[in-house]
Amino acid sequence: GQNIDQPTEMTATEGAIVQINCTYQTSGFNGLFWYQQHAGEAPTFLSYNVLDGLEEKGRFSSFLSRSKGYSYLLLKELQMKDSASYLCAVSREDSNYQLIWGAGTKLIIKP
Amino acid sequence: EAQVTQNPRYLITVTGKKLTVTCSQNMNHEYMSWYRQDPGLGLRQIYYSMNVEVTDKGDVPEGYKVSRKEKRNFPLILESPSPNQTSLYFCASSFIGQGGYEQYFGPGTRLTVT
Repeated sequence: GQNIDQPTEMTATEGAIVQINCTYQTSGFNGLFWYQQHAGEAPTFLSYNVLDGLEEKGRFSSFLSRSKGYSYLLLKELQMKDSASYLCAVSREDSNYQLIWGAGTKLIIKP
Repeated sequence: EAQVTQNPRYLITVTGKKLTVTCSQNMNHEYMSWYRQDPGLGLRQIYYSMNVEVTDKGDVPEGYKVSRKEKRNFPLILESPSPNQTSLYFCASSFIGQGGYEQYFGPGTRLTVT
């Protein structure tokens, strides 16, 4: 089976850096996704990792370690608009589009 | 503009009254999916479709039906809604192929069944 764990809520300060962790237990998967979801809105794609290592995209970076069953999303130079939920999802072993989703981490940014 | 649309955005209904939530995408995506989102839980897949006339159950299909008669449309049907189907529903679509493809989500439909 597959299970994904993320912290329920985190708080950070505007301008700072925050790391949101995601651990998963799965028998196999193709890749790991991160999505952002503002309150009351649809999720939007942030990143996709298939290989171990860090993928950087502007202020956001995502890291994957397959051997440790671990990923994180790193947000730098936090802005108030980064207040949102961040969803971690892994694709099923036999499919890149069938995803198992974590419950999400609500990130609160304070001035 | 590339987008996924859903209608209605908000719906309050009563137990047992059949309803349909429409979903349409203009990106020529093969894959379409319906999710429900409840507090404290991750997105849970209801049904998905790999292409026209090809649909399959997700993790929580009970009480729902879907159809895929055209590539762009993927309606969700609740034949006899019950209060436990009160939820936020999202339709999503993506390409199919090798590599990781992002899913594009509709704006969501907030359904309340009394």
